[in-house]
Amino acid sequence: DTEVTQTPKHLVMGMTNKKSLKCEQHMGHRAMYWYKQKAKKPPELMFVYSYEKLSINESVPSRFSPECPNSSLLNLHLHALQPEDSALYLCASSQVVSEDTGELFFGEGSRLTVL
Amino acid sequence: QQPVQSPQAVILREGEDAVINCSSSKALYSVHWYRQKHGEAPVFLMILLKGGEQKGHEKISASFNEKKQQSSLYLTASQLSYSGTYFCGTVAAAGNKLTFGGGTRVLVKP
Repeated sequence: DTEVTQTPKHLVMGMTNKKSLKCEQHMGHRAMYWYKQKAKKPPELMFVYSYEKLSINESVPSRFSPECPNSSLLNLHLHALQPEDSALYLCASSQVVSEDTGELFFGEGSRLTVL
Repeated sequence: QQPVQSPQAVILREGEDAVINCSSSKALYSVHWYRQKHGEAPVFLMILLKGGEQKGHEKISASFNEKKQQSSLYLTASQLSYSGTYFCGTVAAAGNKLTFGGGTRVLVKP
């Protein structure tokens, strides 16, 4: 199984809502990532978890809250988002606990619209 | 700092060749190439580590010139399936994060 599965595929939420994005991988990878991608732009790193511990937070606003319940799961909790947060949110995993030499396996993303 | 990719877009006929360049203002430890088709996840193509190596994936190959701090991706005898946006990603030093370039949109027409 070489898949990273993300749910939901699409999400529409209001600025006062609380929602979560979920990501799952069963490849035994020990590093998991959240990226944000705006239309026609490259993916931008948000968070990195290594061995289920948060290792990188790219100065992301606190309205985004990541969680790694176990080595296979990664969540992104959303609260009080702004319309400019509308984007494709990509989850990725890698076998090595570093981006510098490891292949990233991306999920298909959760497309978020904030009204 | 984000690497610079050129060209921003290229249109090819099936069977034609193209080159995509990725340049950095910093010394590089590794260069990564991904392709993302519309509405799909980015897919890994290859990683090049410093040492001037060249790699290949089907008829797609890449080179890495660490002295010039740049990498080039070569699409040879392009196929319709090569259409998509190609992103290079660079790492400045071991353990540093991967930073993607702005992308190059490739359209291969029959």
